[in-house]
Amino acid sequence: GAVVSQHPSRVICKSGTSVKIECRSLDFQATTMFWYRQFPKQSLMLMATSNEGSKATYEQGVEKDKFLINHASLTLSTLTVTSAHPEDSSFYICSARPYKWAGETQYFGPGTRLLVL
Amino acid sequence: AQSVTQLDSQVPVFEEAPVELRCNYSSSVSVYLFWYVQYPNQGLQLLLKYLSGSTLVESINGFEAEFNKSQTSFHLRKPSVHISDTAEYFCAVTQTGANNLFFGTGTRLTVIP
Repeated sequence: GAVVSQHPSRVICKSGTSVKIECRSLDFQATTMFWYRQFPKQSLMLMATSNEGSKATYEQGVEKDKFLINHASLTLSTLTVTSAHPEDSSFYICSARPYKWAGETQYFGPGTRLLVL
Repeated sequence: AQSVTQLDSQVPVFEEAPVELRCNYSSSVSVYLFWYVQYPNQGLQLLLKYLSGSTLVESINGFEAEFNKSQTSFHLRKPSVHISDTAEYFCAVTQTGANNLFFGTGTRLTVIP
């Protein structure tokens, strides 16, 4: 099956620093990648959708200058949390979809747990 | 606007007993429906999905879900659960012409030996 990896799996950083999270589709090309945020005991909330070679589309309420998304290739998307603060601590999950068709399965990465001190 | 409701946040059930995890959605247009499972410390995995055709869809590990348009539901069922089914289950919906998934809040299934 299709595999999506995320790196790092866990990161602890000081407040004010920036953190980059990578999402890779290992055995398929991902036309579209998605970034989600999951708070404890809550569901996944979509943050943004990125298509290779174009700017990401952010959901309402998500600061595009704070959460920088780059989808540089068909197998890699990165999320950079700039000037992180404790309230940014969360579980960040990416997913990748081979095609743009909405019925196509999204394949999820294992997630990255971010703790900002 | 779309939304997904999973009324049960936690469902404890004894091993080999049947289980139903409820999912209701709201949408004014045609939708695709998904169930994802998240095992402890792992990412989400697709369990099954409804796109069109038969309203009853099955997974390889014994789960099934039935799309009921009139009741806007997509409940997940299994006739006999195993310890290994203990996980968080998420129902999700997307419009047929849209791009992103909307998730429910999840149901934690705990199978008791």
